[in-house]
Amino acid sequence: DIRMTQSPASLSASLGETVNIECLASEDIYSDLAWYQQKPGKSPQLLIYNANSLQNGVPSRFSGSGSGTQYSLKINSLQSEDVATYFCQQYNNYPLTFGSGTKLEIK
Amino acid sequence: QVQLKESGPGLVQPSQTLSLTCTVSGFSLTSNSVHWVRQPPGKGLEWVGAIWSGGSTDYNSALKSRLSISRDTSKSQVFLKMNSLQTEDTAIYFCTGITLGWFAYWGQGTLVTVSS
Repeated sequence: DIRMTQSPASLSASLGETVNIECLASEDIYSDLAWYQQKPGKSPQLLIYNANSLQNGVPSRFSGSGSGTQYSLKINSLQSEDVATYFCQQYNNYPLTFGSGTKLEIK
Repeated sequence: QVQLKESGPGLVQPSQTLSLTCTVSGFSLTSNSVHWVRQPPGKGLEWVGAIWSGGSTDYNSALKSRLSISRDTSKSQVFLKMNSLQTEDTAIYFCTGITLGWFAYWGQGTLVTVSS
C-alpha cells in the first residue's frame, strides 16, 4: 500500500496569510494526487486533482503543486471560510490511500 | 446535478451485519464507479471498497473477508454489507463517485455506531 504522510497535523494562521500543506508519498505516484477540504460535520469536497488542476468552482487562492513523491497545497490570502481539515489522497494505485489530515484554524 | 445519498441503521450490535444503501442520481452506475469511504469520529479517511462500471468489485484487503458491495442499476443503488461488526467499525460511512480517478462526488455520510 502507498503511504501518504501529511504535514503539519495542525496549522494556525492569520487572515490574509499564505499557508502550505505538504504530502509525501511512499513511492512515486506520478501526480495522481487530489486534495480535499472537509468542514466540520460535512463530507469532503474536492479542491485539486492531478496534483495541480483546480476543480470547477474552487477559488483561485487554492493551488496545488508537486511531482514524484512530494506534493503541496497552497492557500493564498487565507479567509475565515477556509477553516477546515484538508486531506491529500493518491489514486495511482489501489488501495486508494489518504493523508492523515491537516486541521487549519484562524489565529 | 449529481447526488449520492447514504441510508441505513445508525446503530448496529457487535457481531451483527451492517447493510447500507447509496442512492445516486445524475450519475450513471454503468459509466462510473462508486466507492465507500469511512471515517471514525474525529479521525482520518479510509477507503473501504468499490464497484466498477462493469459490476466488478475491489475491497480494502483489511476488510475483504467481511465485506460485500453490490448494486441494482435499475434503481441506481449501491449496497454495502459488512459482517461481524466490531466497535472499531464505528464511523461515518460515505459513498463517493469516481469518473476519472479522484472522488469528485460525495454523499452526506451516515454515522454507524457499533454498540450493544
